[in-house]
Amino acid sequence: QVRLVESGGGVVQPGRSLRLSCAASGITFRSYIIHWVRQAAGKGLEWVALIWYDGSIEYYADSVKGRFTISRDNSKDIVFLQMNSLRAEDTAVYYCAKSRIGENADYDMDVWGQGTTVTVSS
Amino acid sequence: DTQMTQSPSSLSASVGDRVTITCQASRNIRNCLNWYQQKPGKAPEVLIYDASNLETGVPSRFSGGGSGTHFTFSISGLQPEDVGTYYCQQYDNIPLTFGGGTQVEIK
Repeated sequence: QVRLVESGGGVVQPGRSLRLSCAASGITFRSYIIHWVRQAAGKGLEWVALIWYDGSIEYYADSVKGRFTISRDNSKDIVFLQMNSLRAEDTAVYYCAKSRIGENADYDMDVWGQGTTVTVSS
Repeated sequence: DTQMTQSPSSLSASVGDRVTITCQASRNIRNCLNWYQQKPGKAPEVLIYDASNLETGVPSRFSGGGSGTHFTFSISGLQPEDVGTYYCQQYDNIPLTFGGGTQVEIK
């Protein structure tokens, strides 16, 4: 069974950094694009970033470009989201999700993790 | 960016009713559209992918249609367990974008 598990969330002061992790099981991890999506409390869903299955391509939402970096370690079936210069508006539940089709430029997300909560507050 | 305009933002219907949600894309996204259901405190779950394909294990009362810029999602025979928020999402182009959500309640 495919499973994605996020970790690394917590409370952090504005301007500080945090690194989230997304660990996968039940799939050939290196074959899939992985996304990060966030949701502020009581709000809708916002796509944050994606990384290609081989790590060769990354895309970011304008709201996080230059502050967040997505990376992956396919030897350990894990994706990271390094979040720097955090702002109050980055407060949200962060989900990772996998692409539906492997080794393909397919951005369709099918399986999501349960999320990890990031709170940016002084 | 592709804007996804979803309507209505909320609806209330009786058990057994047919409900329909629409999603309008600001540009042609072919059939690259998902419909999600989200329950409070849970991650979104895909119900429909490629605009009209039912995800494995999802009840057949859920359906989707459309292509290009206009899409619909329907529940034929609303059940109490269908209460939640539904989102459309395009994955044709970057940045991926979501509709604003439709909160579905039982009357």
